[in-house]
Amino acid sequence: EVQLVESGGGVVQPGGSLRLSCAASGLTVSNSYMSWVRQAPGKGLEWVSIIYSGGSTYYADSVKGRFTISRDSSKNTLYLQMNSLRGEDTAVYSCARGGSRMDVWGQGTTVTVSS
Amino acid sequence: QSALTQPASVSGSPGQSITISCTGTSSDVGGYNYVSWYQHHPGKAPKLMIYDVTNRPSGVSNRFSGSKSDNTASLTISGLQAEDEADYYCSSYTSSSTYAFGTGTKVTVL
Repeated sequence: EVQLVESGGGVVQPGGSLRLSCAASGLTVSNSYMSWVRQAPGKGLEWVSIIYSGGSTYYADSVKGRFTISRDSSKNTLYLQMNSLRGEDTAVYSCARGGSRMDVWGQGTTVTVSS
Repeated sequence: QSALTQPASVSGSPGQSITISCTGTSSDVGGYNYVSWYQHHPGKAPKLMIYDVTNRPSGVSNRFSGSKSDNTASLTISGLQAEDEADYYCSSYTSSSTYAFGTGTKVTVL
């Protein structure tokens, strides 16, 4: 069964950091396009970042320079390092396989930025 | 990246057809055939319904269809069923090599 499981969410103060993980089974992260998507409370889906199979990475303007997407082939895991967190980063963060075609999604992990 | 524009809500009776629009620009929807549609029931993972404007993944009902004209993409649900009640989002590749989601549409089955 193809599955993505996120972890690492929690409560963090403004300006703090957090690293999210997305453990994959049934698919190979390094051979796939992998994305992070978030949904703030009461808001719609927002695309955050993508890492292509070749290693290229791209970010939404709202997180560029603060967030870093990466992967570990040995652990078949995708990561999102989030620094300089702001209140507006509060959301459920989900990983997904694909970019234009996100066909496998995790259930998400909640990040709350609050003092 | 700006969010693509969708109507906030669309409703229809069982058996009817509804269409959800997704309006962007020539830098996203109009410039690429990389528009996808997702069904999202609150608290659950989004589900891919349409990709590359018109393609349906295996297992998705043929009651769902996609199209595009200029800078506007559309999702049509025919033979509306109670289980179709959900939030729907479009997504498009952009000229910045990023992606953008639509503002989301709540579909209500009357």
